Amino acid sequence: KAGVTQTPRYLIKTRGQQVTLSCSPISGHRSVSWYQQTPGQGLQFLFEYFSETQRNKGNFPGRFSGRQFSNSRSEMNVSTLELGDSALYLCASSLDNSYNEQFFGPGTRLTVL
Amino acid sequence: DAKTTQPTSMDCAEGRAANLPCNHSTISGNEYVYWYRQIHSQGPQYIIHGLKNNETNEMASLIITEDRKSSTLILPHATLRDTAVYYCIVKSSNDYKLSFGAGTTVTVRA
Repeated sequence: KAGVTQTPRYLIKTRGQQVTLSCSPISGHRSVSWYQQTPGQGLQFLFEYFSETQRNKGNFPGRFSGRQFSNSRSEMNVSTLELGDSALYLCASSLDNSYNEQFFGPGTRLTVL
Repeated sequence: DAKTTQPTSMDCAEGRAANLPCNHSTISGNEYVYWYRQIHSQGPQYIIHGLKNNETNEMASLIITEDRKSSTLILPHATLRDTAVYYCIVKSSNDYKLSFGAGTTVTVRA
């Protein structure tokens, strides 16, 4: 079974730009969660989508948004990029209502200059 | 408050078993023990989880003490590819959010 895939793997943007990251979960998984990971803050939860609906949300500004499609693929968007948005963005998928096993993708490394 | 306490680092010889301890003295009755690892600059990888019984899968074994206040992750035959940061997490199964502490940096040496 294919794992979680994320594209692109690396991105370099400048302040003020916007970016869209994509995540394809494991086949059959309907929950997709997004995390931001930085050396200083560690792993921070952004939001979770299930059946095209945002089910849970972390404490991030409105510049961070996401969506999920009917095939469970998910995208997250960051607008008006700031230097502090430089991070590894991780996507994790899990089965319907079970968070016992969350499977992460390789991440997208975003660098904001 | 940190829910788990792990050693900062440990070394292990290739081919030997690696035993990673974790203390979680304030664990609640409905909370599970989860282990993840993260190889440098890659996404975290789920390893195993358990409630109170010992668990084993193709990657590792999880031994939880009877009082559930501590546990040990066992990698039976460590390889160089097992070099990673290992995170012990305590949470309930319906808690959607993962949060990693500092973890244990495991270095497997040839």
